[in-house]
Amino acid sequence: GAVVSQHPSRVICKSGTSVKIECRSLDFQATTMFWYRQFPKKSLMLMATSNEGSKATYEQGVEKDKFLINHASLTLSTLTVTSAHPEDSSFYICSAADRGRGQPQHFGDGTRLSIL
Amino acid sequence: AQTVTQSQPEMSVQEAETVTLSCTYDTSESDYYLFWYKQPPSRQMILVIRQEAYKQQNATENRFSVNFQKAAKSFSLKISDSQLGDAAMYFCAYRNPRGGAQKLVFGQGTRLTINP
Repeated sequence: GAVVSQHPSRVICKSGTSVKIECRSLDFQATTMFWYRQFPKKSLMLMATSNEGSKATYEQGVEKDKFLINHASLTLSTLTVTSAHPEDSSFYICSAADRGRGQPQHFGDGTRLSIL
Repeated sequence: AQTVTQSQPEMSVQEAETVTLSCTYDTSESDYYLFWYKQPPSRQMILVIRQEAYKQQNATENRFSVNFQKAAKSFSLKISDSQLGDAAMYFCAYRNPRGGAQKLVFGQGTRLTINP
């Protein structure tokens, strides 16, 4: 079945550091990928839609300059948390859908980001 | 805008018994997709079952089945013969296939506990 790989799974870094998270579709091409943030015991909150070859579409309230998204190829999207602060600590998950009308989204395993 | 509501924050069931998780949604569309995802403590998002709105027949996947009531905009998940491995957060999700983004809209989640 379709697999989405997300790396790293865990990041601990100092405040002010920029952190890059990668999301790859391993056996299919994804023109669109999605980035979510999940707080403890809460649902997934869509941050942005990553579009191959064009700018990402951000949800209301998400800072574009804080969360940089690049979708340079049909199999790779990256999320960079710039100048991270403790309040950016969270669980970040990406997803991608294979082409085709009814294809479900497949999720990466998530990245737990901890900013000290 | 479409919304998804899961009114049961927590549910519990005895092992081997049957449990039903409820989900309602709001949309003006006639063609859409509905999904149930499972998120165990590992925080992986695992697709459990999906339903296409234009299909009247309820989807089934082994011990998992849905009761799709389109007029009532209800999409409940029934888990039969509950197993300890079924313990997880369960998220109901909606997707409109029209347009390019095909975003998922998630409910708040239901935490399912299986009692041995």
